[in-house]
Amino acid sequence: AQKITQTQPGMFVQEKEAVTLDCTYDTSDQSYGLFWYKQPSSGEMIFLIYQGSYDEQNATEGRYSLNFQKARKSANLVISASQLGDSAMYFCAMRVSNFNKFYFGSGTKLNVKP
Amino acid sequence: DSGVTQTPKHLITATGQRVTLRCSPRSGDLSVYWYQQSLDQGLQFLIQYYNGEERAKGNILERFSAQQFPDLHSELNLSSLELGDSALYFCASSVVPAEGPYNEQFFGPGTRLTVL
Repeated sequence: AQKITQTQPGMFVQEKEAVTLDCTYDTSDQSYGLFWYKQPSSGEMIFLIYQGSYDEQNATEGRYSLNFQKARKSANLVISASQLGDSAMYFCAMRVSNFNKFYFGSGTKLNVKP
Repeated sequence: DSGVTQTPKHLITATGQRVTLRCSPRSGDLSVYWYQQSLDQGLQFLIQYYNGEERAKGNILERFSAQQFPDLHSELNLSSLELGDSALYFCASSVVPAEGPYNEQFFGPGTRLTVL
């Protein structure tokens, strides 16, 4: 069975500090993709970053990086130099190659304090 | 702006009623996905269409149905509505259901359904 787990319902971080949002996944597929989405209070879902299961290097997109540890089945999102605008819900998601479904975690609510 | 449009933005209706949510994918995207997000919860995958055909089904109730039309827009029909159906309904689109795992989805702004 495919599963995504986010164990941190809520987190606080001081502005300009780095923060790590945890995500673990479970799949028996060898080929899969891991995604992070941001959902601000306005409700839209914004794609942040992608990591493929065969990618040897961790993905980075600006202030976002994905700490991919395949053996541990974890795909943590690291946000560097947090900004007030980073306050939002963050969802980890997975797609396996043989299915057309995306599996989403329950989300982590990040609050950035000034 | 992701390029995915959803109408209406808000919908308020009563229990027992039927509503239709509409989604237009990004230009060139053949796949459409529907999700339900209840209050303070993650996204539940409902159903996926590719070029007019149903491709994958998730936790979609029998009271719900969807279709994708030749112009690739999609509609999600919710009938015999219950209070618990109140949620944010997202549509997402992607290019193709590629064999590889990289298939980023672009989300619409969502339709907020309130059942009173």
